[in-house]
Amino acid sequence: ELKVEQNPLFLSMQEGKNYTIYCNYSTTSDRLYWYRQDPGKSLESLFVLLSNGAVKQEGRLMASLDTKARLSTLHITAAVHDLSATYFCAVDSFGNEKLTFGTGTRLTIIP
Amino acid sequence: NAGVTQTPKFQVLKTGQSMTLQCAQDMNHNSMYWYRQDPGMGLRLIYYSASEGTTDKGEVPNGYNVSRLNKREFSLRLESAAPSQTSVYFCASISGGRRAFFGQGTRLTVV
Repeated sequence: ELKVEQNPLFLSMQEGKNYTIYCNYSTTSDRLYWYRQDPGKSLESLFVLLSNGAVKQEGRLMASLDTKARLSTLHITAAVHDLSATYFCAVDSFGNEKLTFGTGTRLTIIP
Repeated sequence: NAGVTQTPKFQVLKTGQSMTLQCAQDMNHNSMYWYRQDPGMGLRLIYYSASEGTTDKGEVPNGYNVSRLNKREFSLRLESAAPSQTSVYFCASISGGRRAFFGQGTRLTVV
């Protein structure tokens, strides 16, 4: 059974700082996704990573995928308050379309 | 554009009652999913449907049934609600490029 782990689970950081959220998964897959969820809201798709070495960037967020290490990172550059949210990674099981989520990282940006 | 529409948004049930959560998408996607979200546990997959006419169990299927009525609609039924099914339920549909679109969620309380 595919397991997806994120760390840290909670992250408090100051505006202007850089930080990285990590997503590890347990079985072979080359498809990984990042989502954002604001409190009380639904999920919004951020990045779709479909191959080893894939890197995507949007504003202050950059996501990468290393399928050999079974690891994805979400890097935050010069954080701003608007980035406060919970971030989830999710992984497709190899050979089917079962999409498994990590437990999420609650990010709080402090002025 | 409507995207993914879930109904109802809120529901309170008594233990033992039944209900059906409705989900419809207007994006012509093949894949549709039902998740539940509980505090500290991320999103857990209940059932998914890779295409019209097919359904598969996810991580937590017990106590639920689903119907993929047609390409647009994927419903989730609770036959005999239990307090452990108190949760927020999300429906999602996924494009061919694996970008997921989520509904606004159904907040279900079972008393």
